[in-house]
Amino acid sequence: DAKTTQPPSMDCAEGRAANLPCNHSTISGNEYVYWYRQIHSQGPQYIIHGLKNNETNEMASLIITEDRKSSTLILPHATLRDTAVYYCIVGSSGYAGNNRKLIWGLGTSLAVNP
Amino acid sequence: DSGVTQTPKHLITATGQRVTLRCSPRSGDLSVYWYQQSLDQGLQFLIQYYNGEERAKGNILERFSAQQFPDLHSELNLSSLELGDSALYFCASGKTGGQAFFGQGTRLTVV
Repeated sequence: DAKTTQPPSMDCAEGRAANLPCNHSTISGNEYVYWYRQIHSQGPQYIIHGLKNNETNEMASLIITEDRKSSTLILPHATLRDTAVYYCIVGSSGYAGNNRKLIWGLGTSLAVNP
Repeated sequence: DSGVTQTPKHLITATGQRVTLRCSPRSGDLSVYWYQQSLDQGLQFLIQYYNGEERAKGNILERFSAQQFPDLHSELNLSSLELGDSALYFCASGKTGGQAFFGQGTRLTVV
């Protein structure tokens, strides 16, 4: 499975959009991009995932470049509760598929400031 | 609430001991994943079970073992514990083609 590269930390003002980049230049054609976040030491929380097209849900938007080598997670109106570590990971045929060796990096520590 | 239950929440034990961590997946989820997260580290994938069978192995030590039972709950057994095994241990469950749901973890402290 492909590895990902994320900036170690980012800051964002409350109410503004937070744009978190992720590089996955070795992604394979059947691999999805997943985003999770971990608030303090709680269990990671699923945010969004996508294959090729941009995706949006109630939490965030995911923009995947045409060559699929990078993506951006967008939190449209960041709040203090969005302060967390955000992980971008890639996995083929869905996260919970068979025979997956899933690689999580250190993620991006996002600080939302008042 | 993710629907994944892990017990116990906290565990303190001595070096050389053996402990068992338990995970109850969400109803209907066949896959269970175990992860280890040491202080200020990312999640390290340990092992995956799918419907009772081992499906993928990550960086799991030989002192560690896991199993998934017919009712789909899973246990992670850690033996001959060392100080360096102190960490958060997370279990996650999911369906094929979907996202994973994580429990709140077991914090293991080896003294």
